[in-house]
Amino acid sequence: GDSVTQMEGPVTLSEEAFLTINCTYTATGYPSLFWYVQYPGEGLQLLLKATKADDKGSNKGFEATYRKETTSFHLEKGSVQVSDSAVYFCALSGGGGSQGNLIFGKGTKLSVKP
Amino acid sequence: DAGVIQSPRHEVTEMGQEVTLRCKPISGHNSLFWYRQTMMRGLELLIYFNNNVPIDDSGMPEDRFSAKMPNASFSTLKIQPSEPRDSAVYFCASSPRGSTMNTEAFFGQGTRLTVV
Repeated sequence: GDSVTQMEGPVTLSEEAFLTINCTYTATGYPSLFWYVQYPGEGLQLLLKATKADDKGSNKGFEATYRKETTSFHLEKGSVQVSDSAVYFCALSGGGGSQGNLIFGKGTKLSVKP
Repeated sequence: DAGVIQSPRHEVTEMGQEVTLRCKPISGHNSLFWYRQTMMRGLELLIYFNNNVPIDDSGMPEDRFSAKMPNASFSTLKIQPSEPRDSAVYFCASSPRGSTMNTEAFFGQGTRLTVV
C-alpha cells in the first residue's frame, strides 16, 4: 500500500534559522500531497498542499514542491519563528494503494528557541 | 461553519467501563475518519467511512472498539470494555471527497481519553 516517510525529530532550531523537514512517499497513481501542522493541545490543521507534479504549495512562509521524480515533498521555511514550534505531518491521499484514506507520516516535532 | 465538533474534549474513566466518543462532521462532507494519537505509535487511522458506510476498519485494534455512522451528521466511536492502554487522544476528521479522493481532511480538536 501507499506510505509516507518523514524525517525523525525532534528538530531544534534558533529563531530565524532555515527549516527543512524531509518527506518521501510511495504510491501508485497520482496522489495529492499535504503538510499538516499540530500545535500543542490542538487538532491537525492543513498547512499546505499540492495536487500534481511540480506544483508548489505555500502558506505562512512555508513551501513544499511536489517532486514526482524523487517522490518527495520536503517542507521548507526560510526564517522560523518561536510560534512555528509544533508537530508537522506529511500526508498523501488519492494514491492507488490508499483506498481513499489520508496516509500520514509519523510527524516531526519542531522546537524553535528565541 | 463550526468545523468538526468532537465531544467530550476530555474523558477520564475507570478500566472496564464503556466509553463513547462523538463526532459531528462538517456539513456536506461525505467522508469521515477516526484517528488515535499516542506518543508511542503516533497517528493511527482506526476506521474510515464514505457516505456513512465503513470502507476500511482494518485499523480498529480489537473487538472492544466499534464505530457507527447512523447518518451524515453524526458518528460514534465506542470502547467496551476500556483498558488503560486505550488512553490516547482520539481525533475525528471529515472530508468533502465527492468524485475525487485527492482532497484534504479537516480535523476536530480531539478527545483526550484517560483510562485509570
